[in-house]
Amino acid sequence: DSGVTQTPKHLITATGQRVTLRCSPRSGDLSVYWYQQSLDQGLQFLIHYYNGEERAKGNILERFSAQQFPDLHSELNLSSLELGDSALYFCASSASSGVNQPQHFGDGTRLSIL
Amino acid sequence: GESVGLHLPTLSVQEGDNSIINCAYSNSASDYFIWYKQESGKGPQFIIDIRSNMDKRQGQRVTVLLNKTVKHLSLQIAATQPGDSAVYFCAEKASARQLTFGSGTQLTVLP
Repeated sequence: DSGVTQTPKHLITATGQRVTLRCSPRSGDLSVYWYQQSLDQGLQFLIHYYNGEERAKGNILERFSAQQFPDLHSELNLSSLELGDSALYFCASSASSGVNQPQHFGDGTRLSIL
Repeated sequence: GESVGLHLPTLSVQEGDNSIINCAYSNSASDYFIWYKQESGKGPQFIIDIRSNMDKRQGQRVTVLLNKTVKHLSLQIAATQPGDSAVYFCAEKASARQLTFGSGTQLTVLP
C-alpha cells in the first residue's frame, strides 16, 4: 500500500459530461502529480501541485484542470469528455517539490467514456 | 472497434533465475532515474532510484546499473519469483519539472 488514495476506482460516463477525480497524498507529502495512462501512449504527465500551488504542466488539455486544497488533497476535473479521454488516471505524491525523488502512486481511477 | 495497445517488449524467465530489464533513455542531461513495477490493476510501485553521479545501486534483490556513455539503464532482479511478474517502467528526470516514463517491459516468470 503506497499510502496514496484515489477515488473513485471506476467511473463510467458519457461524452460531453464532466467528472472529478480525487486524490489524497501520503501523510506528510506536499507534492501531488497527475498522470494519464492509456493503451496507446503509456504514462503521460499532466500536472504537478506543491503545497497548493501549480508547479508544472505537462500534456494537459484545456478541458482538464486540477487544484490542490489546503488539506493537500487534490482533484482533477475533466470536462466536455470525449471517447479518447478513456484511460487510467493516476495520482502520485512526494515529500517535497523537486522531481528527483520517488513519487508514490495510487491505484488509479479507470475512466470509461461511452 | 479494435483497440491498439502498446507493444511492450516482453521478457520470460524461469523462477529462480536472474532477470535483466533494459531501458534506453533519451536525454544525456538527465540526472535522476527511477524504476517502477506495475502489476495488473495497480498503480506503479517504486522499486529503486539512482542519481547520475552513481553507476550502480543495490536494493533488496534488485540492482540498477547506469551507463551514461550509451544512455542505458538496467534493472537486475535476483532469484526471480512469481510475484515479480509485472510491467517494469524506467523513468528519467529529463527536465527540471517532470519525469518522463518509458513504455515498459512485461516480465513473466515461468514456474
